[in-house]
Amino acid sequence: SQQGEEDPQALSIQEGENATMNCSYKTSINNLQWYRQNSGRGLVHLILIRSNEREKHSGRLRVTLDTSKKSSSLLITASRAADTASYFCATDDGTSYGKLTFGQGTILTVHP
Amino acid sequence: NAGVTQTPKFQVLKTGQSMTLQCAQDMNHEYMSWYRQDPGMGLRLIHYSVGAGITDQGEVPNGYNVSRSTTEDFPLRLLSAAPSQTSVYFCASSSQGRVGQPQHFGDGTRLSIL
Repeated sequence: SQQGEEDPQALSIQEGENATMNCSYKTSINNLQWYRQNSGRGLVHLILIRSNEREKHSGRLRVTLDTSKKSSSLLITASRAADTASYFCATDDGTSYGKLTFGQGTILTVHP
Repeated sequence: NAGVTQTPKFQVLKTGQSMTLQCAQDMNHEYMSWYRQDPGMGLRLIHYSVGAGITDQGEVPNGYNVSRSTTEDFPLRLLSAAPSQTSVYFCASSSQGRVGQPQHFGDGTRLSIL
């Protein structure tokens, strides 16, 4: 079963606009990660936020985590056409193995 | 630095055939895993390994076997291919630790079972 549910399933915006994707999960987590997947390629790690953190930044990325609502959001500011990809959240179950449970993903299309 | 390498990139099999999907990493990572990605389903964990000689089942292990004889390699075997195993398969690796580690993915093997 999928731990994460992502919203929206698809998002279409113009270059320069901000893109916000949301992820909800069901059980307690140790960490939450966001990954990007370009068409036909593997997933690439973007950012990790720990359960005791509320917000984290990396370049044009901003991630928030609300453990009381079991939700996270990924904001991409000033989007570029190269940001067109699928974005997945993944939760860590806190064991030393670090097994990840992925959401279904958001397909982001940025029009030039 | 090659990272995670998967072969083949594409494969077509007939129902009942067997094959092995190869995965190799050159980062000396202890943890390796196999996922399958189906439309609308995200990624689901098939099997994983926390080190050479140690493997365990994930969420969807039926129909697949794995072994881990070296740190570098983690092959996935389909014993008797079924159309339900048509999917894109991803191998990933990470350094093991108490706090979740980012995983490094290969570019996938696209498998069709006729």
